[in-house]
Amino acid sequence: DTAVSQTPKYLVTQMGNDKSIKCEQNLGHDTMYWYKQDSKKFLKIMFSYNNKELIINETVPNRFSPKSPDKAHLNLHINSLELGDSAVYFCASSQRNTEAFFGQGTRLTVV
Amino acid sequence: GENVEQHPSTLSVQEGDSAVIKCTYSDSASNYFPWYKQELGKRPQLIIDIRSNVGEKKDQRIAVTLNKTAKHFSLHITETQPEDSAVYFCAANKNTGFQKLVFGTGTRLLVSP
Repeated sequence: DTAVSQTPKYLVTQMGNDKSIKCEQNLGHDTMYWYKQDSKKFLKIMFSYNNKELIINETVPNRFSPKSPDKAHLNLHINSLELGDSAVYFCASSQRNTEAFFGQGTRLTVV
Repeated sequence: GENVEQHPSTLSVQEGDSAVIKCTYSDSASNYFPWYKQELGKRPQLIIDIRSNVGEKKDQRIAVTLNKTAKHFSLHITETQPEDSAVYFCAANKNTGFQKLVFGTGTRLLVSP
């Protein structure tokens, strides 16, 4: 069974559209993350969600909104997509201060 | 907040040579330091980690060292093989307050046969 799964794997959409990426973990972890990996391979943390507390990285535009219906899910909704949003988005989960497990990534292409 | 710097950004070695990647962190409260390997088109995966109560940890050909005073930690790969070619990331986290695993900028390692 996949530990951290995110869908879709590929997403191609036009500028201005709204899209969502879903993430689910079956590891019972209490912390989930969203990371953005740009073309230079930098892994930038966008959000951290643990113990019902959402930590927002202040550099993330408010067009990005995470939604966590429960501890096993952390979805990412993006409004008014821009060309610069094109990247690979990784979901990850961990138990407090231990190894983080990553999903397979979602390659978002905005045209 | 935590800031993690990683050097070098690229590293080319011959098969059999050793490779060393270095990271520094800014938050003295950080106490967990994992290293991830990301192969092309794949997800990052943990290869080794170290906690602040340990100075060195080894697992076969890879080892990590930690200098808490200087806020440095390093990854050492010995007897490199072509399959070690990948992007390596260091990261730092702390066990207090909210969890925020912060990654370094990555090192692209190329091992030539």
